[in-house]
Amino acid sequence: KNQVEQSPQSLIILEGKNCTLQCNYTVSPFSNLRWYKQDTGRGPVSLTIMTFSENTKSNGRYTATLDADTKQSSLHITASQLSDSASYICVVWAGGSYIPTFGRGTSLIVHP
Amino acid sequence: DSGVTQTPKHLITATGQRVTLRCSPRSGDLSVYWYQQSLDQGLQFLIQYYNGEERAKGNILERFSAQQFPDLHSELNLSSLELGDSALYFCASTGEGRREETQYFGPGTRLLVL
Repeated sequence: KNQVEQSPQSLIILEGKNCTLQCNYTVSPFSNLRWYKQDTGRGPVSLTIMTFSENTKSNGRYTATLDADTKQSSLHITASQLSDSASYICVVWAGGSYIPTFGRGTSLIVHP
Repeated sequence: DSGVTQTPKHLITATGQRVTLRCSPRSGDLSVYWYQQSLDQGLQFLIQYYNGEERAKGNILERFSAQQFPDLHSELNLSSLELGDSALYFCASTGEGRREETQYFGPGTRLLVL
């Protein structure tokens, strides 16, 4: 069964600090992995999309990594800002399927 | 603003009732996805349409149905509502409905079933 597990479930950090969120998946065959940011009560917004051949992809202060061998991805946030407070969701698409598998998300709170 | 619109923003109804949620994709996008997000389940894929045709179906209950119209807007119909159907319902759109495309999500419809 295709599954996506995210850790930690929640995280509290101080403004200006870095943090790393984890995503492990068992989706097979792998097509692509995305990270979304979702502010409370709003629709998710795509941060990065990574395919099998990509190891790292950046979007401003967000850097995603992918290890297709171990089926792990991470999202690193640099110099966090208050506006980074949100839920971060990892989504994996299987090859040959139009049905995505979602992680439960990591809730990040950035304190001043 | 993603360019995807959803109406209504909020909906309060009673168990057993039927509601219709509406989604207009971004201009030029042919594919629409519907998702349900509840507190205990997270985001779940319901169904995808491409240019008026159903392309993929996920964990969508038989009480739920959807369609995409010739003008490409989509409607999600929820009937015989139960308390557990209370959730945020999102639609997203892409140009061609391919897995590699970025999905643009609407602001969602918050449904409360009492």
